[in-house]
Amino acid sequence: GQQVMQIPQYQHVQEGEDFTTYCNSSTTLSNIQWYKQRPGGHPVFLIQLVKSGEVKKQKRLTFQFGEAKKNSSLHITATQTTDVGTYFCAGPGGGGNKLTFGTGTQLKVEL
Amino acid sequence: GAVVSQHPSWVICKSGTSVKIECRSLDFQATTMFWYRQFPKQSLMLMATSNEGSKATYEQGVEKDKFLINHASLTLSTLTVTSAHPEDSSFYICSAGTGKETQYFGPGTRLLVL
Repeated sequence: GQQVMQIPQYQHVQEGEDFTTYCNSSTTLSNIQWYKQRPGGHPVFLIQLVKSGEVKKQKRLTFQFGEAKKNSSLHITATQTTDVGTYFCAGPGGGGNKLTFGTGTQLKVEL
Repeated sequence: GAVVSQHPSWVICKSGTSVKIECRSLDFQATTMFWYRQFPKQSLMLMATSNEGSKATYEQGVEKDKFLINHASLTLSTLTVTSAHPEDSSFYICSAGTGKETQYFGPGTRLLVL
């Protein structure tokens, strides 16, 4: 079945440093979605990318969809403590608007 | 907009009892609701897909008779964990879709089975 892997699994940074998580799907995706889950919370939708090579920005967050539509990345510039959480990518698969979530990258930010 | 609620937010029960979790879309009609389970430090695993008025579609390895799903209306789906055991302790999250691919997640229910 479809697999969506993310690296790294964990990332520990000092506040102000940049952070990147990479997402790789075993199958081509029609779109890729990114979610953020704060500790103890639930996933919150961040963004959806649809086009090959698409790049979108949300303030300090930059999202990219690969040319082959099998990989994606999320880059955070100058991390802040509010960025702490686990970032998941997710892609449709299996029909019926189902999503397959990536393995997630847990980000910790130290002062 | 697109708010999804879950009730209860947490529950502790004895082994062998059944627990019902409700998922409601508050300001929109959800054509499809999804139920996920998340163990500590792990990703979300889809358990089943629920469409209003029809039987839920379960993912491979998920026991239909143990995790009963009812989707009575376009705004309410329930998950009942029957004869719960300690290994069922987990974070159960529902999400609702409007027919497009984006899903809106509920706040989750933490289940602890003693």
